Amino acid sequence: EDKVVQSPLSLVVHEGDTVTLNCSYEVTNFRSLLWYKQEKKAPTFLFMLTSSGIEKKSGRLSSILDKKELSSILNITATQTGDSAIYLCAVDSNYQLIWGAGTKLIIKP
Amino acid sequence: DAGITQSPRHKVTETGTPVTLRCHQTENHRYMYWYRQDPGHGLRLIHYSYGVKDTDKGEVSDGYSVSRSKTEDFLLTLESATSSQTSVYFCAISPPGTPGGELFFGEGSRLTVL
Repeated sequence: EDKVVQSPLSLVVHEGDTVTLNCSYEVTNFRSLLWYKQEKKAPTFLFMLTSSGIEKKSGRLSSILDKKELSSILNITATQTGDSAIYLCAVDSNYQLIWGAGTKLIIKP
Repeated sequence: DAGITQSPRHKVTETGTPVTLRCHQTENHRYMYWYRQDPGHGLRLIHYSYGVKDTDKGEVSDGYSVSRSKTEDFLLTLESATSSQTSVYFCAISPPGTPGGELFFGEGSRLTVL
């Protein structure tokens, strides 16, 4: 059975800290791994990582895919209160997205 | 922002009543999805559509049916709502050429079944 596991489930840090969120997967036919940010409403897309694009960066956020370890990390540097959200990881296996339960990140001022 | 609207945004109903949630898109995308989101479970796929009148089941399809008579509308129906179907329901669409990849989500519909 395909599965995606995120850790930690929740995390509280202070503004300015750096955080690392983890996503590991076991799927039958890996095509890509995606990260989303969910604030109060709908998830919004952050990154997609594939075998041909294992590292992505946007501002203070970056993500790396480790195909050998079947995992990915999402790094956020110099965190701000606006980074508080649930971060979701999903893996595309046979054109179906398998979702992790998410990491709830709280940034304290 | 992708043009996706869901209605109703909030609904409270009683066990045994039928409920229909509507998803409307203005992007003319082929693929549309219905997910439910519950604490500790992340997003779980209920049904998806890959064209007008073309639909398929997801991992949690029991108790749900869907219809897509027009490209822009994807309806999710609970024939007889149960308390276990209390959840937040999200509709999503994916850009052409990449089914299962990047998704754009609607704002969600919160359903409470009493």
